[in-house]
Amino acid sequence: DQQVKQNSPSLSVQEGRISILNCDYTNSMFDYFLWYKKYPAEGPTFLISISSIKDKNEDGRFTVFLNKSAKHLSLHIVPSQPGDSAVYFCAASGGSGNTGKLIFGQGTTLQVKP
Amino acid sequence: DTAVSQTPKYLVTQMGNDKSIKCEQNLGHDTMYWYKQDSKKFLKIMFSYNNKELIINETVPNRFSPKSPDKAHLNLHINSLELGDSAVYFCASSQPGTGVNEQFFGPGTRLTVL
Repeated sequence: DQQVKQNSPSLSVQEGRISILNCDYTNSMFDYFLWYKKYPAEGPTFLISISSIKDKNEDGRFTVFLNKSAKHLSLHIVPSQPGDSAVYFCAASGGSGNTGKLIFGQGTTLQVKP
Repeated sequence: DTAVSQTPKYLVTQMGNDKSIKCEQNLGHDTMYWYKQDSKKFLKIMFSYNNKELIINETVPNRFSPKSPDKAHLNLHINSLELGDSAVYFCASSQPGTGVNEQFFGPGTRLTVL
């Protein structure tokens, strides 16, 4: 039962263009959504989050959009840079019996070409 | 100065052996976690401790036993290792409160069982 899904395993974009990474979820009780970035042989690092009561959160080149009715969120990176090439994980927290655990999607590998 | 550290980074061992992975965080967080990333790249919660008390145990075989000697350390001991235990294990920590539960991850331990 995969509550958080990232259906695109990979994405390739040109430097300077927009990268859009998508994530779908099934549990309407989630109260926070987070994006993590992971380089090879390193642990995931926190990028940006959004509360379920908001529909947009922006931090520099990174913007996360939340569409609660569609149970869908997306991460926009503008402009994309070669250093953004990494695996991006969507994660959700909250729900009944909230224990603080994060439920992760399977990740999308982003490649930004110079 | 590393915030969340794990040792060893790589671990290769034979089936049936017992091994331990250590984790330490210097962030002063109260909660620590173990996640497993399997061959399909899913990151799944295994255990969580809050101030040395077990709060999450996600249907993990009892061959896996976490131990938290103090709130800055969460070790993972695995008995009778099996081929299916091969994965990357990530330790994480956070300071739960109101709001988003941002978790900080260690670099991971790649366990290979032969």
